[in-house]
Amino acid sequence: DQQVKQNSPSLSVQEGRISILNCDYTNSMFDYFLWYKKYPAEGPTFLISISSIKDKNEDGRFTVFLNKSAKHLSLHIVPSQPGDSAVYFCAASVRNNAGNMLTFGGGTRLMVKP
Amino acid sequence: NAGVTQTPKFQVLKTGQSMTLQCAQDMNHEYMSWYRQDPGMGLRLIHYSVGAGITDQGEVPNGYNVSRSTTEDFPLRLLSAAPSQTSVYFCASSPGTSTYNEQFFGPGTRLTVL
Repeated sequence: DQQVKQNSPSLSVQEGRISILNCDYTNSMFDYFLWYKKYPAEGPTFLISISSIKDKNEDGRFTVFLNKSAKHLSLHIVPSQPGDSAVYFCAASVRNNAGNMLTFGGGTRLMVKP
Repeated sequence: NAGVTQTPKFQVLKTGQSMTLQCAQDMNHEYMSWYRQDPGMGLRLIHYSVGAGITDQGEVPNGYNVSRSTTEDFPLRLLSAAPSQTSVYFCASSPGTSTYNEQFFGPGTRLTVL
């Protein structure tokens, strides 16, 4: 049973508008969350993260929101650009786990139309 | 720095054949890991290593072996390939074992088992 779920396999957004990617988790032990971005034929690259002691973290056009009571996080991209078109993976971890083990969601393919 | 490199990029095997997927990093990272990516499943951890001579199992280790004789290299061995091992394999490294350390991914190896 997947502990991290991204229920939308794809999302299409117009350039300049907001993109909102969602992620739900079931394991209440998770206390650190990350978003990775992946282009075709490349490995995932780290985008932004958030600790469970925060409810928001912002980095330029990217903001991650965490709702612990709902076990839900979201990634907002404002404004969206065609270069943001990629697959986005949500990942979660238990801080201080010895193996730096990440549990990934299934990914959401974002398409930003010019 | 080349970062994390993986060879080969593509491989086709017949059921029962064995092979080794190579992974190397030139960033002197302690932590290295192998993931497989399957459609809708995200990335799942196969094996990981927290340093030379130390390896451990991840979420889906069956059918795979690893060893870590040097800091730089972390090969993944398929002893007897099965069609269920058809997947894209990613190697990753990070400077430490804490979750807060960003993981850097290689470009992936696409494996097909017939």
